[in-house]
Order: sequence, then C-alpha cells, then structure tokens
Amino acid sequence: AQKITQTQPGMFVQEKEAVTLDCTYDTSDPSYGLFWYKQPSSGEMIFLIYQGSYDQQNATEGRYSLNFQKARKSANLVISASQLGDSAMYFCAMREVTNYQLIWGAGTKLIIKP
Amino acid sequence: EAGVAQSPRYKIIEKRQSVAFWCNPISGHATLYWYQQILGQGPKLLIQFQNNGVVDDSQLPKDRFSAERLKGVDSTLKIQPAKLEDSAVYLCASSLAWGAVYNEQFFGPGTRLTVL
Repeated sequence: AQKITQTQPGMFVQEKEAVTLDCTYDTSDPSYGLFWYKQPSSGEMIFLIYQGSYDQQNATEGRYSLNFQKARKSANLVISASQLGDSAMYFCAMREVTNYQLIWGAGTKLIIKP
Repeated sequence: EAGVAQSPRYKIIEKRQSVAFWCNPISGHATLYWYQQILGQGPKLLIQFQNNGVVDDSQLPKDRFSAERLKGVDSTLKIQPAKLEDSAVYLCASSLAWGAVYNEQFFGPGTRLTVL
C-alpha cells in the first residue's frame, strides 16, 4: 500500500495566485514527521517545511504553510502569492518513529504561468 | 557553510560498463544517504551510513552496486556492471544524525546517469 500519495501529477497556476499541493499519508505510528521538498530542474532537493505529528499548530515558513489535518491523514502544502521561481517538482515525504527512513511520494510538477 | 558536493554532475556510459559517483557531505554530518531517483518518481533510498558504518542497505542491488564511506566523511557509490534500468539521478544527502523523527536531510545537486 502507498504510504504517501500525491494525487496531482501536474498543476498550472497563474503567477501571484495561491496554490495547494495535496498529500495524504498512511501510518499507524503515533509519532511521525511530514516533510515537503522542492526540486527545481537543476535537480537539487530543497527542504521547505516540516510538520510533526504532535505539533498543535500548522507549520509555516515564509510563503509556505502546511495544512495539517491529522484525522484525515493529509498534509497539504500551501504556497501563497506564487512566483515564477516556484515552478518545480514538489515532494511530500514522511518519517515514522519505527523506521527512520524517509518515505517519498511521487511528486507534483508545478508550473507557474506569467 | 558549504553544502553537499557531488561529482560528476553528468555521466553517460554503455551498458556493462562501470561507473563511480563521489559525495562529500556537510562538515560534521554523521549520516550520509545515497538515493536513486528515476524520472517521474520520488527518490528511493539505496544505502544509509552512520559515520562509516552501514545502517540500512536493504534496497541496494548488491550484485552490482557497492558503496563505501571511508573515515566517516566522503562516500563513493559504484555500479558494476551497469544496466539500462540504472539510468537515473543519484542523489547524496547528509544529516547531523538519524535517530529522530525530525531530521532534516541536505541534498547535493545529484549525478544524472544515462546508460546506453
């Protein structure tokens, strides 16, 4: 069974609009962490934001925020006021306390239109 | 602070040839990871080192892939002999430690391998 599911293979968004990238996960561990990474065409993975399963508030980092709905097992990334430089692949990943490997989703390709 | 360094950035070889990739992690990072990322997919962990010991190599095709981390710093990943399906980006990452749920991994630029 897929542990991390990203249902949007690709998205087009107009510059300056907000965008939500979906991520659902599956785990029975009470303690886990959720990560979002950005991968531009240059290939390097860039860490964006982290949400712990016990965190009471949704994580925010600048224009990035994580809409964490624990009961629904979803951890959607929200990018406010999108910019052309946001065009990239975005990956959701999870780490469980019983297995410290990062488990990755298949990614969403985001293209920002001018 | 210098990031994770990898070389080469690109490599084209023919099947059955050998190839080696090099990674230098961020100074002080005890944990080093090698990932394989096939086009259109998320990264797959091949091997994880803690200092110079192997923590996890369960997904490393050991009949053709090998990796070492001498003196707990630099690491080399080798493929011998290469197959067409090895065409991928090989990412190296490092982190301060690994035994925590929150453990940010820092990635290098990757090596794009094409096997003809």
